[in-house]
Amino acid sequence: QVQLVQSGAEVKKPGASVKVSCKTSGYTFTTYYIHWVRQAPGQGLEWMGMIDPSGGSTNYAQKFQGRVTMTRDTSTSTVYMEVSSLKSEDTAVYYCARPGPQTFDYWGQGTLVTVS
Amino acid sequence: EIVLTQSPGTLSLSPGERATLSCRASQSVSSNYLAWFQQKPGQAPRLLIYGASTRATGIPDRFSGSGSGTDFTLTISRLEPEDFAVYCCQQYGSSPITFGQGTRLEIK
Repeated sequence: QVQLVQSGAEVKKPGASVKVSCKTSGYTFTTYYIHWVRQAPGQGLEWMGMIDPSGGSTNYAQKFQGRVTMTRDTSTSTVYMEVSSLKSEDTAVYYCARPGPQTFDYWGQGTLVTVS
Repeated sequence: EIVLTQSPGTLSLSPGERATLSCRASQSVSSNYLAWFQQKPGQAPRLLIYGASTRATGIPDRFSGSGSGTDFTLTISRLEPEDFAVYCCQQYGSSPITFGQGTRLEIK
């Protein structure tokens, strides 16, 4: 079955960087884009961007351009999302998600990133 | 970007009642690429509806979606205790993908 398993919670200081991983299994890694979505405490969902695991091309939301980098490792079927220059407002649960027939049918369990 | 506005913010109903949730887009959603998610505390969102009206795999038929263009509706025909959660809509027809702010469905 399709699974997306994310790395564990992180605590970072302002100005630092964080790198979250999303290990996929149960399907052909290069077939589906992986998206990243975050959710600040008590807030709604916010799309950050996506990566094509096949060629590595990315599309970031304008808000995160220059501060977010998404990469992939095809040998381990893992996608990474790095956020730099962290601010307190970046405190959130970060999710990776994979489309099904159309939109996000499979989600990772979420990774809490606390900036303090 | 397309802004999605959900109403009401909170809906208080009893089990067995019918729930109607609204999602309005600031511009037409391309190809009716509109989805609905359910989210419970501490959990990842769960896809309910995509393409405005198609139920995702394993979703009970008491959940239905309708609408087109800029106005969309999620209906839960008879509320079960496990249905009390936050529901949000998403458009994925245009970049950036955007989400509504959510409707909290609570037990009356």
